[in-house]
Amino acid sequence: DTAVSQTPKYLVTQMGNDKSIKCEQNLGHDTMYWYKQDSKKFLKIMFSYNNKELIINETVPNRFSPKSPDKAHLNLHINSLELGDSAVYFCASSQGDRGLGYEQYFGPGTRLTVT
Amino acid sequence: GDSVTQMEGPVTLSEEAFLTINCTYTATGYPSLFWYVQYPGEGLQLLLKATKADDKGSNKGFEATYRKETTSFHLEKGSVQVSDSAVYFCALLSGGYQKVTFGTGTKLQVIP
Repeated sequence: DTAVSQTPKYLVTQMGNDKSIKCEQNLGHDTMYWYKQDSKKFLKIMFSYNNKELIINETVPNRFSPKSPDKAHLNLHINSLELGDSAVYFCASSQGDRGLGYEQYFGPGTRLTVT
Repeated sequence: GDSVTQMEGPVTLSEEAFLTINCTYTATGYPSLFWYVQYPGEGLQLLLKATKADDKGSNKGFEATYRKETTSFHLEKGSVQVSDSAVYFCALLSGGYQKVTFGTGTKLQVIP
């Protein structure tokens, strides 16, 4: 069984379009995240939700909007896509919400290419 | 703020060589420390972790010891295999909400 799944795995689109990436976890975790990984493998956290509440909101353009319909799902919607948005986007989840040393479980990633 | 510094790669080793990937950190309080591994085309997965000073994390022949006095968490393996070729990330989690700070990643290539 897949613990953290993301769809789609690949997304190719043109500048100016709006797209969404979906994420689901079946681990019963309370906290979910979105990360962006650039071509040099640098990982940058974007957002985090705990029990559907936004708890981390890093400096990200407001074209990016996360939505958590329930604690098992965290979707990422991107408006007016730009070339610089091309990257791999990872969803992750972890148990608990306060620094107790819980590890994160990552999805397989969504490779977004904006042309 | 919190930060993680790890050695730049790529690191190229022959099979059965000894591996060290250095990692140092800056954090307030007592962070938990992690090594994650990313195989080509995949997401990150936990390799090992340590939650307090002097703890040693180990998995699949890899080890790292949480050294508070030197603020380090170096990754070691006595004999690498071709299948260990991947990108390795050092990371820390300190207090508050579960915000993990990652290092920049070190690419390891093991050649036969």
